Amino acid sequence: QKEVEQDPGPLSVPEGAIVSLNCTYSNSAFQYFMWYRQYSRKGPELLMYTYSSGNKEDGRFTAQVDKSSKYISLFIRDSQPSDSATYLCAMSVNDYKLSFGAGTTVTVRA
Amino acid sequence: DVKVTQSSRYLVKRTGEKVFLECVQDMDHENMFWYRQDPGLGLRLIYFSYDVKMKEKGDIPEGYSVSREKKERFSLILESASTNQTSMYLCASSRPEVAETQYFGPGTRLLVL
Repeated sequence: QKEVEQDPGPLSVPEGAIVSLNCTYSNSAFQYFMWYRQYSRKGPELLMYTYSSGNKEDGRFTAQVDKSSKYISLFIRDSQPSDSATYLCAMSVNDYKLSFGAGTTVTVRA
Repeated sequence: DVKVTQSSRYLVKRTGEKVFLECVQDMDHENMFWYRQDPGLGLRLIYFSYDVKMKEKGDIPEGYSVSREKKERFSLILESASTNQTSMYLCASSRPEVAETQYFGPGTRLLVL
């Protein structure tokens, strides 16, 4: 079993829809939770960063962490074609070593 | 604007060749990383360096070595390339106090024939 599981999709939604992405994990020691966005032929870029449980909002993006269920989510409101990318979840105990999900490819149709 | 650059976007090499992948960051970061990215597997850490001439093995170091002679430069070496090393290679850097926040380069897509 992988340490971090992420549905690879692909996910296709119409412009303006809410995109819901999630990851589950098995290591209860994870404390830091990240979402990276990767456009085609580019490297990943950090989108959201959360410590421990709870919600974090940044514009149209909301990250949620439920440590009791070992489940994290990313919501994108009012999705735009420019949101079309692969979204990678990543987690860490307390150091440089990140465990990544496989990534979910999202397409937002105009 | 922070920047991590990689020497090549695409490389085609033959089995048995020695391959060098170069990465340079301009953020004065102590930490640098090499990952490979494969469909369905996500990013896997090959090697990590926390200072000049210092390195640690990641999850999949077999068949790879690294070199860090200067703080801004981190090289990945495939001593004898094999077809199963065909992959996307990503370099990243970070500050040690925020090690989870990593800045990635654009990647090098390597094809070994």
